[in-house]
Amino acid sequence: NAGVTQTPKFRILKIGQSMTLQCTQDMNHNYMYWYRQDPGMGLKLIYYSVGAGITDKGEVPNGYNVSRSTTEDFPLRLELAAPSQTSVYFCASRPSGQGKNTEAFFGQGTRLTVV
Amino acid sequence: AQTVTQSQPEMSVQEAETVTLSCTYDTSESNYYLFWYKQPPSRQMILVIRQEAYKQQNATENRFSVNFQKAAKSFSLKISDSQLGDTAMYFCAFMNTGTASKLTFGTGTRLQVTL
Repeated sequence: NAGVTQTPKFRILKIGQSMTLQCTQDMNHNYMYWYRQDPGMGLKLIYYSVGAGITDKGEVPNGYNVSRSTTEDFPLRLELAAPSQTSVYFCASRPSGQGKNTEAFFGQGTRLTVV
Repeated sequence: AQTVTQSQPEMSVQEAETVTLSCTYDTSESNYYLFWYKQPPSRQMILVIRQEAYKQQNATENRFSVNFQKAAKSFSLKISDSQLGDTAMYFCAFMNTGTASKLTFGTGTRLQVTL
């Protein structure tokens, strides 16, 4: 299993450009999450999904959109990029259920700079 | 909405010594999970330990143990016999149970293990 794969690893965007951060997992996990991590800070939840076709907002959804058409993929779309969106973005997934199924598996992150 | 607070931005400990990282949280739910995740310089998020709220017994994983005080909404992490490889950011996290299960992180504590 590759686990959670994020692409690209690095990206520089100009203000006003758009892009999609890709996230795919091969573990058949129902839950998927997108976070952003600003320098020296914790992870803030942007959007999450409990299964294909179902998404919901987290703490900081403004400026972002998501879709979940398949169990495997959970892309994050940035429209009209702004310098405030400069951050490291993490995608995570976990299976349904309790106990050991509560462990979230993370991708390696995407470092995005908006200039 | 749940919140997670880590009041120690940075801590330092000598190799082989013991250190305790603090975390408090706020929730109105009775059943939930608490976690400590480690983020070394590689940026990879690694689960250190997990605690189920309905279990009174404190979780232990080798050199890592927690002090879970449900009434006080406190969840501290004790690292015994600290090793250089423990140097990392440590994040406390909360997850509510149920279908709309979100994983919320604190702002992190940067731990430096020194010789």
